[in-house]
Amino acid sequence: KQEVTQIPAALSVPEGENLVLNCSFTDSAIYNLQWFRQDPGKGLTSLLLIQSSQREQTSGRLNASLDKSSGRSTLYIAASQPGDSATYLCAVVSKTTDSWGKFQFGAGTQVVVTP
Amino acid sequence: GAGVSQTPSNKVTEKGKYVELRCDPISGHTALYWYRQSLGQGPEFLIYFQGTGAADDSGLPNDRFFAVRPEGSVSTLKIQRTERGDSAMYLCASSVAGGPYEQYFGPGTRLTVT
Repeated sequence: KQEVTQIPAALSVPEGENLVLNCSFTDSAIYNLQWFRQDPGKGLTSLLLIQSSQREQTSGRLNASLDKSSGRSTLYIAASQPGDSATYLCAVVSKTTDSWGKFQFGAGTQVVVTP
Repeated sequence: GAGVSQTPSNKVTEKGKYVELRCDPISGHTALYWYRQSLGQGPEFLIYFQGTGAADDSGLPNDRFFAVRPEGSVSTLKIQRTERGDSAMYLCASSVAGGPYEQYFGPGTRLTVT
């Protein structure tokens, strides 16, 4: 059974520092991995989607890498800003026949960027 | 274009009552997903529709939960005889088709059962 873990659960950094967020999964047979941002009491905003054949995706200050063989993905946010404060979640779609299209989420990393 | 919308944004109900939560997916998206998120946790899958049919309802916790999508667009999640443990954020997502495509989430409905 796929397990998705995000460590640490919380992270605080000063403004301007680069953020490094980790996501690990136990079964490397995945179709894709998606990173989301969630503000308190709100829904999820999609940040980046990485297909299983890709090694990384980039969008602006965001870069996400995927290493299927080690079951890890890393989200890098360059030059963090207070507006980056939120919870960041990763989710995978596994290749098991009963998981077609449905995401399995980690519990998230809560990020605070201090001015 | 318009994103995924959910109504109501907040719902407070008494234990034992019936509630309906509505989701409007992005126009043209054939796949629709419902998730439930408890405080401090990641969302957990409930049910997935491809068109009008429930392709996977393995995440529904018990028979008090039911969902429909009669015309292949709007979906309603129905909860009978609500319990305090049903209190959570209910999230809806849609994607262009069923399968490992990018999912777009709505703002959620916060359900509180008193």
